[in-house]
Amino acid sequence: GAVVSQHPSWVICKSGTSVKIECRSLDFQATTMFWYRQFPKQSLMLMATSNEGSKATYEQGVEKDKFLINHASLTLSTLTVTSAHPEDSSFYICSASWDYEQYFGPGTRLTVT
Amino acid sequence: RKEVEQDPGPFNVPEGATVAFNCTYSNSASQSFFWYRQDCRKEPKLLMSVYSSGNEDGRFTAQLNRASQYISLLIRDSKLSDSATYLCVVNPSGNQFYFGTGTSLTVIP
Repeated sequence: GAVVSQHPSWVICKSGTSVKIECRSLDFQATTMFWYRQFPKQSLMLMATSNEGSKATYEQGVEKDKFLINHASLTLSTLTVTSAHPEDSSFYICSASWDYEQYFGPGTRLTVT
Repeated sequence: RKEVEQDPGPFNVPEGATVAFNCTYSNSASQSFFWYRQDCRKEPKLLMSVYSSGNEDGRFTAQLNRASQYISLLIRDSKLSDSATYLCVVNPSGNQFYFGTGTSLTVIP
């Protein structure tokens, strides 16, 4: 099956700093990738749909200026959490669709102190 | 109405029991359906796709009922290792994927 990687897997940062998370499709090209956030004991929440070569589509309530998404190539999408605050601490997961199925990255656990 | 609705549970069942989850969807034109499993603090992993004719993989059986717009997952002979959250996913078209909130299953020794 298709493989999606995510980096870093775990990051701790200070409040006010920015954090970049990378999502890569390793063995296929992904024109569309998805970014999710999951708080403890809650379901996945779609944040945005990332389209290669164009602007991301953000879900209602997600600040596009705070969560910057760049999908510069067919195998890489990045999510930058700008000016992170403790309430941004969460599990961030990306996924990519291939052959009508979704494949998830292993997730990035962000802790903002 | 939500695109996908799923009973969050939790379901607590003894080892060896049979347990079933249902998930309803609102878009009658939806084409693809999936069940994912998510372990605590891990990413979701595809458990099985759901085909119109129903499909079985070992102890797991997935079925689709288009008339009533729901999909189901049946787990027979539950194992302790089956404890996880089970997510149903509906793909109405193209690159849209809608997730249920997940059903928590705990298999008790």
